[in-house]
This record gives sequence, structure tokens and C-alpha cells, in this order.
Amino acid sequence: QVQLVQSGAEVKKPGASVKVSCKASGYTFTAHYIHWLRQAPGQGLEWMGWMNPNSGDTNYAQNFQGRVTMTRDTSISTAYMELNRLRSDDTSVYYCARDRWSTVITYAFDMWGQGTMVTVSS
Amino acid sequence: DIQMTQSPSTVSASVGDRVTITCRASQSISSWLAWYQQKPGKAPKLLIYRASTLESGVPSRFSGSGSGTEFTLTISSLQPDDSATYYCQKFNGYPTFGQGTKVEIK
Repeated sequence: QVQLVQSGAEVKKPGASVKVSCKASGYTFTAHYIHWLRQAPGQGLEWMGWMNPNSGDTNYAQNFQGRVTMTRDTSISTAYMELNRLRSDDTSVYYCARDRWSTVITYAFDMWGQGTMVTVSS
Repeated sequence: DIQMTQSPSTVSASVGDRVTITCRASQSISSWLAWYQQKPGKAPKLLIYRASTLESGVPSRFSGSGSGTEFTLTISSLQPDDSATYYCQKFNGYPTFGQGTKVEIK
């Protein structure tokens, strides 16, 4: 079945970097844009950016430009999100999500990873 | 930036009740609106897109309506499994979510 499976929880110190993976299965990985979103504890959802798995093109939300990098390895159908210079307010659950329609970007998310908890604490 | 505002923040209703959640956009987004359901510790699930189109596999008791700046999500007959937080999201351009509405079962 179609699924996105993310890497496990991380604990990082302020100033460090974290890299979260998102492995796709059950569909053609390169056919759908992958988005990354996050949700701080008890808070709402915040979109971080998208990556086109076919071309590698990316587009980041202004709040994260300069700190986030989204990449992919098509040979293993896996997307990655790396966030640098971590702060305590980056403590969140990070999600990858698939754009609902293939080959175009619509920002409607029909499939989500299970989430990766990233805790930033000294 | 377009802001999305949901009301109420919490709704408590009995099984079988009709529940309506409202989402307002700070400017017109046509029908570029989606609704998601999120249960504790789980990822969100897409329920409705383009304001009123039910995602495949979603029970027909869920429906969406509206266009422009005002939208509603209706659960026609509340079931125990519907206990969750519901988010609206605009998706014309960069996505923005509402702050969420928690639906509780009395």
C-alpha cells in the first residue's frame, strides 16, 4: 500500500543539525511532490517547503530559508529534510507529506509519514 | 499573508449529533480549501479538498461547503471515532492552516 515511513526520534543540542528521512513505497516516488511540515507540541501545523523528487527542485518557506535543505535519493525512494542551527523552538514533530496530484504541485496532502519527534535541548 | 481562522476552538457533542465547524479566510481563496482530521499522536488525514470534494474512503457523514472566504465542515451524525482535532487549510499557493477545532464526544 501507499505509505511514507519516517526515521526515528532525535534529540539534539542547540546549534546542531538534524536530518530526517522519509521513505516512500507503493507508488512512483518521482511522480508526486514531497512536502515537509512541522507541529510544535500542542500547536498547529506549519509548512516548511517542498521538493520535486523528479528534478530535485525545492522551494522553502520564508521562515526556514537559509536553515533547511530538502534532498532525495531516487534509487531508494527516500526524501530527506535537514534543518541546521537548531533552537529550542524547533522542538516539534516533523512530517513528510505527499502532494495529492501527480506531476503538479497543489499543496493538498493526501499521504503523510508517521512523524518524527525532534527535541532540541541543552 | 492570508490568515485562516476556525471556530469554535472546541465543540462537545453527543453521538448522533450534527456538528458544524467554520473556517474563514482573510481574503478570497475561491474553493482552494482542504479539511484534515488529526487524532492524538497521529498524522493528519485528508478528508475534503476543493472545499467540498470528499477524499476516497472518507465516510459520507463528512461534508464540506463554501467558497470565497467562508467554509464549513459538517459531520452529519457524530460517531465516537470522530473525536479528533480538525484543521482547515488553504492550498492556493503556500499553505496556511487554521488553528484547529477539537471535537469531543459528550
